[in-house]
Amino acid sequence: QVQLVQSGAEVKKPGASVKVSCKTSGYTFTGYYMHWVRQAPGQGLEWMGWINPSSGATYYAPKFQGTVTMTRDTSISTAYMELSRLRSDDTAVYSCARMNYDSAFDIWGQGTMVTVSS
Amino acid sequence: DIVMTQTPLSLPVTPGEPASISCRSSQSLFHSDDGNTYVDWYLQKPGQSPQLLIYTLSFRASGVPDRFSGSGSGTDFTLNISRVEAEDAGVYYCMQRIEFPWTFGQGTKVEIK
Repeated sequence: QVQLVQSGAEVKKPGASVKVSCKTSGYTFTGYYMHWVRQAPGQGLEWMGWINPSSGATYYAPKFQGTVTMTRDTSISTAYMELSRLRSDDTAVYSCARMNYDSAFDIWGQGTMVTVSS
Repeated sequence: DIVMTQTPLSLPVTPGEPASISCRSSQSLFHSDDGNTYVDWYLQKPGQSPQLLIYTLSFRASGVPDRFSGSGSGTDFTLNISRVEAEDAGVYYCMQRIEFPWTFGQGTKVEIK
């Protein structure tokens, strides 16, 4: 079945970077855009951007431009989200979400908790 | 950015009774080129990732019970649950995708009495 399995929890210091992986299975990785969404503790959902796994093209929400980089490795059907210059308010659960042909998020990863603390 | 405002933020419901959640956008989500209205609804059950309920205003996602329905137009949208069941507890989010950055409502927590 279609699955998105993310890497494990991370603890980082302010100013560091973190790279979260999203390994896919059960479908053609290059056939669907992958989006990233984050959720701070007790807060709502925040959309970060997308990557086209086929071409590698990306689009980032203005808030994250300059700090986020989305990449992919088609050989292992995996998408990555790297966030740099981490601050305490980047503490959140980061999730990958597949965009289906109706442009909605039909499959989500389980989420990766990133804690930024000195 | 388009602001999505949900009401109420908390909704206690009795099993078997109907429930309704409203979502208002700061700009119209109607796309005149194709006639679609780009608002989706997600449910995040406790400890889980969000799951798609409704897309493009009123289309139910695969496997979603028909007690869920979406309606509205322009800037005002509603998610209706015809008869609430215990498994419907969680936080419901509307999301707009007519314009980047895509934005979510703040969420409505549905609690089963």
